[in-house]
Amino acid sequence: GAGVSQSPRYKVAKRGQDVALRCDPISGHVSLFWYQQALGQGPEFLTYFQNEAQLDKSGLPSDRFFAERPEGSVSTLKIQRTQQEDSAVYLCASSGPYGYTFGSGTRLTVV
Amino acid sequence: AQSVTQLGSHVSVSEGALVLLRCNYSSSVPPYLFWYVQYPNQGLQLLLKYTSAATLVKGINGFEAEFKKSETSFHLTKPSAHMSDAAEYFCAVRNNNAGNMLTFGGGTRLMVKP
Repeated sequence: GAGVSQSPRYKVAKRGQDVALRCDPISGHVSLFWYQQALGQGPEFLTYFQNEAQLDKSGLPSDRFFAERPEGSVSTLKIQRTQQEDSAVYLCASSGPYGYTFGSGTRLTVV
Repeated sequence: AQSVTQLGSHVSVSEGALVLLRCNYSSSVPPYLFWYVQYPNQGLQLLLKYTSAATLVKGINGFEAEFKKSETSFHLTKPSAHMSDAAEYFCAVRNNNAGNMLTFGGGTRLMVKP
């Protein structure tokens, strides 16, 4: 596609519920990144893929967070047993020859 | 590790006035620096980037930034603010590791008064 697509745009989850956030990167982009942006703050790195390989997951805040990119294209960020502090915008970006392109993000609200 | 600091979480200017948004970086190696703009409920849009070529970088929408190594700064400027410039602005540095992920500052909200 022409840009990075993320779905859903908005997600409300009850505390303890599992959620899955999808990222569809620009076709052909090898690198894919997930960032977490809390309200009023800058994005913070979560994890990075090169093709299907997850090369860095040092930013994942706990073992409740899990990301995958099984075929080197679409990626899913899964959060298990959501907690209120997980409320944030989750941004996906893919990187190609001309740099990063960010998606519009998924706003997760845990109630 | 690289880091960036944005001075001033909120900046307010009048329409037509100079815009100056401050960014200082910390890096042990020559940095790659970026400015992004974020409009409400949208993702990040690249304004400009410094990649060790010219120290004065021109970007979109009339913005520019100057890399000053002696001051470890990369401040963003625009000569004349427009109402449509009201948004959140983020400075970022690229981490020079295999992933090239970005480290962002805390952001500056620019408000433009008519």
